[in-house]
Amino acid sequence: GNSVTQMEGPVTLSEEAFLTINCTYTATGYPSLFWYVQYPGEGLQLLLKATKADDKGSNKGFEATYRKETTSFHLEKGSVQVSDSAVYFCALSEGSGNTPLVFGKGTRLSVIA
Amino acid sequence: GAVVSQHPSWVICKSGTSVKIECRSLDFQATTMFWYRQFPKQSLMLMATSNEGSKATYEQGVEKDKFLINHASLTLSTLTVTSAHPEDSSFYICSARPGQTNTGELFFGEGSRLTVL
Repeated sequence: GNSVTQMEGPVTLSEEAFLTINCTYTATGYPSLFWYVQYPGEGLQLLLKATKADDKGSNKGFEATYRKETTSFHLEKGSVQVSDSAVYFCALSEGSGNTPLVFGKGTRLSVIA
Repeated sequence: GAVVSQHPSWVICKSGTSVKIECRSLDFQATTMFWYRQFPKQSLMLMATSNEGSKATYEQGVEKDKFLINHASLTLSTLTVTSAHPEDSSFYICSARPGQTNTGELFFGEGSRLTVL
């Protein structure tokens, strides 16, 4: 079956540090890949997505590239801010309509000033 | 983007009572909605797939008689936690996907935090 594995946290970084959160996946077909972010006490928000191999998703300074050869979708940001402190979830979907997303376990990021 | 709204955002109830959580798609129709439960260590567990006009599909290990799901219209799904106990305390999140999208992304509600005393 499909699965997502992401690096375990928590991750603590100083402001302006470089961020990488690793994510690898297992899928039977050609999934779409997502990063969602959850701020404290809130639901999940879509951060970025990529729907096919070699696509790069980007938003708010975050980037992730869909690498089919390594089945990876690592999240990166060049310079994190305190406001980036949140839980980040990697997810995949192999369809639309009635197929749910498969999530990784989430990685908590804390950025300190 | 599409908007999904949940109500209430938090609720406290006594053990043995039932609690209903509503999930609405505000600007699109959703024949399918998904209910997730989030545990303290942050992982998300898919509880069930809610199908408009038919029975929900529950994941293995989720008690269908305890977590009643009703999807009576194309914009509303409800989750009722029946005879709630402290171990049901959790953060429940619903999600839906606009029918016209083919990219697979889900839009999530704000979540509902349930505390059972």
